[in-house]
Amino acid sequence: SQQGEEDPQALSIQEGENATMNCSYKTSINNLQWYRQNSGRGLVHLILIRSNEREKHSGRLRVTLDTSKKSSSLLITASRAADTASYFCATDAGGSYIPTFGRGTSLIVHP
Amino acid sequence: EAGVAQSPRYKIIEKRQSVAFWCNPISGHATLYWYQQILGQGPKLLIQFQNNGVVDDSQLPKDRFSAERLKGVDSTLKIQPAKLEDSAVYLCASSFQVSGELFFGEGSRLTVL
Repeated sequence: SQQGEEDPQALSIQEGENATMNCSYKTSINNLQWYRQNSGRGLVHLILIRSNEREKHSGRLRVTLDTSKKSSSLLITASRAADTASYFCATDAGGSYIPTFGRGTSLIVHP
Repeated sequence: EAGVAQSPRYKIIEKRQSVAFWCNPISGHATLYWYQQILGQGPKLLIQFQNNGVVDDSQLPKDRFSAERLKGVDSTLKIQPAKLEDSAVYLCASSFQVSGELFFGEGSRLTVL
């Protein structure tokens, strides 16, 4: 089934540094979304990028999409301790329009 | 705007017992999803509703799991009988439109002993 896979599985950085995580998928998509999940909480939507878009920004977040490589990246600039969370990409493929999640990247930002 | 409400937040049962989870989506959201999230993994779709009709339940273990969405609003997910491997967080999400942003509840954490 269509599923995005995040890389790396875990990332540990210092406050103020940038964090980059990647998502790869296997088949053509309608759109790709990034979500954040704090420990013990539900998922929170960050950004949705459509298949005909290449880049989107939201505050300190920058998402790129390369459909030729079937990959996306999420960049968090000037990270803060509060950014510590798991980050998931979700893709929906073809006519299903059902978001399918990867295993996520666990980000730890040290103060 | 009120978010997606789920209850109970935590539930501990013994194997072979039954359990039910409830979800109230955001008002006006026609699409409702139930996901299962096992520790250390991403959410896995169990069932998707569009209003009160089922769109996809291909990954729902129908011998023990059932779900309904009466009147196209609230939804319940039931497990009977529970197995040890059902220990997970059950997440409910809703969206205004198909292929749009999902709004998640806080989840219901199930422990099966």
